[in-house]
Amino acid sequence: GAVVSQHPSRVICKSGTSVKIECRSLDFQATTMFWYRQFPKQSLMLMATSNEGSKATYEQGVEKDKFLINHASLTLSTLTVTSAHPEDSSFYICSARDNRGGRTDTQYFGPGTRLTVL
Amino acid sequence: GEDVEQSLFLSVREGDSSVINCTYTDSSSTYLYWYKQEPGAGLQLLTYIFSNMDMKQDQRLTVLLNKKDKHLSLRIADTQTGDSAIYFCAESVSAGNKLTFGGGTRVLVKP
Repeated sequence: GAVVSQHPSRVICKSGTSVKIECRSLDFQATTMFWYRQFPKQSLMLMATSNEGSKATYEQGVEKDKFLINHASLTLSTLTVTSAHPEDSSFYICSARDNRGGRTDTQYFGPGTRLTVL
Repeated sequence: GEDVEQSLFLSVREGDSSVINCTYTDSSSTYLYWYKQEPGAGLQLLTYIFSNMDMKQDQRLTVLLNKKDKHLSLRIADTQTGDSAIYFCAESVSAGNKLTFGGGTRVLVKP
């Protein structure tokens, strides 16, 4: 199968602190990972595309200095929410593109990280 | 820009068939997906269809694509209580590329 994990699954932090979320592809290498944000009862909005060994590509309206993305290896991408504020509270979901030979280049999603900023 | 629309809610009795509809606007959409999200969890890929296909069946799931009308549907046969979840359709222009999601359809299966 294609399994993607996220850590932590839930985090509560104080306003002004930074929070790092990890996304790992467990049984495949992913040159590309995606970070999404989901507000309650809403759909997923793509924040950025993370490429191994290069800078992330951010969607319009997403502050790259606020949401730092590092894709240092073929199995790990991290999202750091810097100087978090209550409005950053959300469900953050990553996905990893599985482009092993013969597959459909499908994205597989992690279980999500719920961030609550007090 | 791309836009994907879904109805918000569907209620169905256990054992009946469920049909979830989705429309999209991007004529260059090549891959269309259905994902399932259970409460507090990530997304599970259910099935996908290429734009050059009209139908795809996978066990209880049947996907129909009307490319002319840009309409996609997911039919779940013999719906079970475990099928209660939010279902998202999504499209992408190329395989593995960024996905544009619909708003999700909340399916409630009643016993």
